[in-house]
Amino acid sequence: KQEVTQIPAALSVPEGENLVLNCSFTDSAIYNLQWFRQDPGKGLTSLLLIQSSQREQTSGRLNASLDKSSGRSTLYIAASQPGDSATYLCATPSGSARQLTFGSGTQLTVLP
Amino acid sequence: GAGVSQSPSNKVTEKGKDVELRCDPISGHTALYWYRQSLGQGLEFLIYFQGNSAPDKSGLPSDRFSAERTGGSVSTLTIQRTQQEDSAVYLCASSAEPGLAGDTQYFGPGTRLTVL
Repeated sequence: KQEVTQIPAALSVPEGENLVLNCSFTDSAIYNLQWFRQDPGKGLTSLLLIQSSQREQTSGRLNASLDKSSGRSTLYIAASQPGDSATYLCATPSGSARQLTFGSGTQLTVLP
Repeated sequence: GAGVSQSPSNKVTEKGKDVELRCDPISGHTALYWYRQSLGQGLEFLIYFQGNSAPDKSGLPSDRFSAERTGGSVSTLTIQRTQQEDSAVYLCASSAEPGLAGDTQYFGPGTRLTVL
């Protein structure tokens, strides 16, 4: 059974800093690895999806990498802004239904 | 186009009552998922629909939970005889082609259920 872990659970940084969020998974036979953002009281917004054949994906100030052999993915946020404050979740599909198994999330606070 | 919508956004009910939660997926998406997000439990999978059929109900926590999907579109999640531990945010997601490595699930805003 796939298990997904995110460290740290919470992170507070001053505006302008570059930061890295970590995600690890136990079963390396994944289809893809997805990163989501969740604002308080809201649903999930898809940020990046890395297919199993890819090593990284970039969108604006976000860069996600994938290392299947070590069971790790990282989300790099460059030049952080207060608007980046949210909970970031990683997830990977498993099972015949491709249902997502989520990590517990990293709550990011960017201080102005 | 329109995203995934869910209603109601908030529901407060008394213990023992039945509730129905609704999900409208993105038009044309054949796959629909229900998840539950509760404090201390994180996000957990409940049920999956491909078209109108539910080949995977493995995540439903008890027989008080049921779901259906009609016309390959709208889905309702029904919780009978609600208990306080059912309090959570119920999220719905849809996707176009779950068999593909590049497939993304798109989430609705969720329904916050509070059982008093």
